[in-house]
Amino acid sequence: AQRVTQPEKLLSVFKGAPVELKCNYSYSGSPELFWYVQYSRQRLQLLLRHISRESIKGFTADLNKGETSFHLKKPFAQEEDSAMYYCALSGVNYGQNFVFGPGTRLSVLP
Amino acid sequence: KAGVTQTPRYLIKTRGQQVTLSCSPISGHRSVSWYQQTPGQGLQFLFEYFSETQRNKGNFPGRFSGRQFSNSRSEMNVSTLELGDSALYLCASSPKTGYEQFFGPGTRLTVL
Repeated sequence: AQRVTQPEKLLSVFKGAPVELKCNYSYSGSPELFWYVQYSRQRLQLLLRHISRESIKGFTADLNKGETSFHLKKPFAQEEDSAMYYCALSGVNYGQNFVFGPGTRLSVLP
Repeated sequence: KAGVTQTPRYLIKTRGQQVTLSCSPISGHRSVSWYQQTPGQGLQFLFEYFSETQRNKGNFPGRFSGRQFSNSRSEMNVSTLELGDSALYLCASSPKTGYEQFFGPGTRLTVL
């Protein structure tokens, strides 16, 4: 079964500190993995997807198939990064849907 | 391109009533998914429609149903509302199943 876990409900860091949001998944096969972000009073939006290998707003995420992880990292957190972050998995076969993790609220303190 | 739109944005209903929510996807997107978002349960998948056919269904009771029209617009219906149905209902569209999803602003449903 498809499943996404995010062990931290809340993560607080100081501005300028590194941040790592953890995501682990279970899926038999090669899924598509995403990070979505929801800023206060804004709609849920895609932050990045693993196949694009981009760095968005300074964030990167590496897919580790051995550890079935897709952790989100940023070397220097900014106050504007404070938001709710969701890791998501998509099964690539017909009949498989998007599965979101429970989310981690990142709070960047001044 | 215009983003995903959802109507209405807010709804207040009483227990036992039914409600219909509407979603207009991004032009050209044929996949529309619905999610329920609550503080306790987070984002839960309801169902996905693609070219007017339900492709996937989450673990929700039969009171939750949906449909998609030929222009890809989608509606979600909840019958016999319960207090626990109070939530933010999100619609997301995508060019195809499994691809990046674009979310609407949501419909906030309150059941009294």
